[in-house]
Amino acid sequence: SYVLTQPPSVSVAPGQTARITCGGNNIGSKSVHWYQQKPGQAPVLVVYDDSDRPSGIPERFSGSNSGNTATLTISRVEAGDEADYYCQVWDSSSDFGVVFGGGTKLTVL
Amino acid sequence: EVQLVESGGGLVKPGGSLRLSCAASGFTFSSYSMNWVRQAPGKGLEWVSSISSSSSYIYYADSVKGRFTISRDNAKNSLYLQMNSLRAEDTAVYYCARDVRRPLSSSLYFDYWGQGTLVTVSS
Repeated sequence: SYVLTQPPSVSVAPGQTARITCGGNNIGSKSVHWYQQKPGQAPVLVVYDDSDRPSGIPERFSGSNSGNTATLTISRVEAGDEADYYCQVWDSSSDFGVVFGGGTKLTVL
Repeated sequence: EVQLVESGGGLVKPGGSLRLSCAASGFTFSSYSMNWVRQAPGKGLEWVSSISSSSSYIYYADSVKGRFTISRDNAKNSLYLQMNSLRAEDTAVYYCARDVRRPLSSSLYFDYWGQGTLVTVSS
């Protein structure tokens, strides 16, 4: 089955830019989606189809996807962005095949 | 406003059964595929099961195949998960989630999630 690899943690100072990666074999050929999850809360979709933002998600959240790496970029990081972030793809070549990355804990210093 | 509200979680002994429910509102429930996604304590997200809008297509993760059954009642705007032969490793928060899928572009994502219901399997 398809595997998505994320770094366990990323740290950034307020006002700086955070980049969270999601690695997978030829992931650039897939649509990648990103979720934010704060403690005790349900996940929230922040980026879909590599780089689109749902309504209500700040423009500070952006995404890119190429080759073997997809990236979620959070500009001008705020304390409220501290959360776990998960990438997800649909590996339609396998049996249904919804796959999540292991998650990255973003810490705002 | 889209709302998904799960219920039915609780403490159950290994080998026992539990039925989860998800009440949907704020959208045309019968037009969307629905899913269950779970999260073990301190762990990541794991997709569990999916059911198409008319119940024609049903899929399960290998970890629950043969033990869990997903179903829906479009007249009641409700999604269900019947969980049998429960194991300690099924302990998790179970989320109901609506999906948006575009097969031609191999895109499927979860745009709305419920708040989750905790299932604890322990003797």
